[in-house]
Amino acid sequence: GDSVTQMEGPVTLSEEACLTINCTYTATGYPSLFWYVQYPGEGLQLLLKATKADDKGSNKGFEATYRKETTSFHLEKGSVQVSDSAVYFCALSDLNNAGNMLTFGGGTRLMVKP
Amino acid sequence: KAGVTQTPRYLIKTRGQQVTLSCSPISGHRSVSWYQQTPGQGLQFLFEYFSETQRNKGNFPGRFSGRQFSNSRSEMNVSTLELGDSALYLCASSLFGAGSNEKLFFGSGTQLSVL
Repeated sequence: GDSVTQMEGPVTLSEEACLTINCTYTATGYPSLFWYVQYPGEGLQLLLKATKADDKGSNKGFEATYRKETTSFHLEKGSVQVSDSAVYFCALSDLNNAGNMLTFGGGTRLMVKP
Repeated sequence: KAGVTQTPRYLIKTRGQQVTLSCSPISGHRSVSWYQQTPGQGLQFLFEYFSETQRNKGNFPGRFSGRQFSNSRSEMNVSTLELGDSALYLCASSLFGAGSNEKLFFGSGTQLSVL
């Protein structure tokens, strides 16, 4: 079945440092890929997405490129802020599934220190 | 525009009891999905409803069930609660739920504790 693997946290960075959170996937079909973010006490919010190979999703300074050859979708940001502290989830949705079934990675907690 | 509303926010039950959680989607959204979030298993898909019909189901025992009403509001029920059912239950809504390009809007969740 489909699966998503992302690096374990927590990841602790100083403000303005560069961020990379690794994400790899296994899927039988042609999935769309997503990054969701969860702030303390809240539900998940879509951060960015990519629907086909070589697509780059971007939002709020975060970027991720859909790499079919390495089955990866790593999240990057050039300069993190304290407000970026949250848990980040990589997820996929397989086009073979009707409806909105997402398969999530285990989540990576990011802590940014001033 | 109001977001996805889940009630109650917190719930404490004892083993063997049953529980019903409620989710009101964003107005106009017809698809409602449910996810279970635990520290050990992460986020796992429970089921999805669209126009009052269950369209997808995850790998959970029959104790977990749900339904959707004509106004798209959804409820999920867990019977004969076990300690391992303690989790944050998240609901997500979207307009049609078809295909993978549609954005899901998540509620803040119901934190269920089973004692």
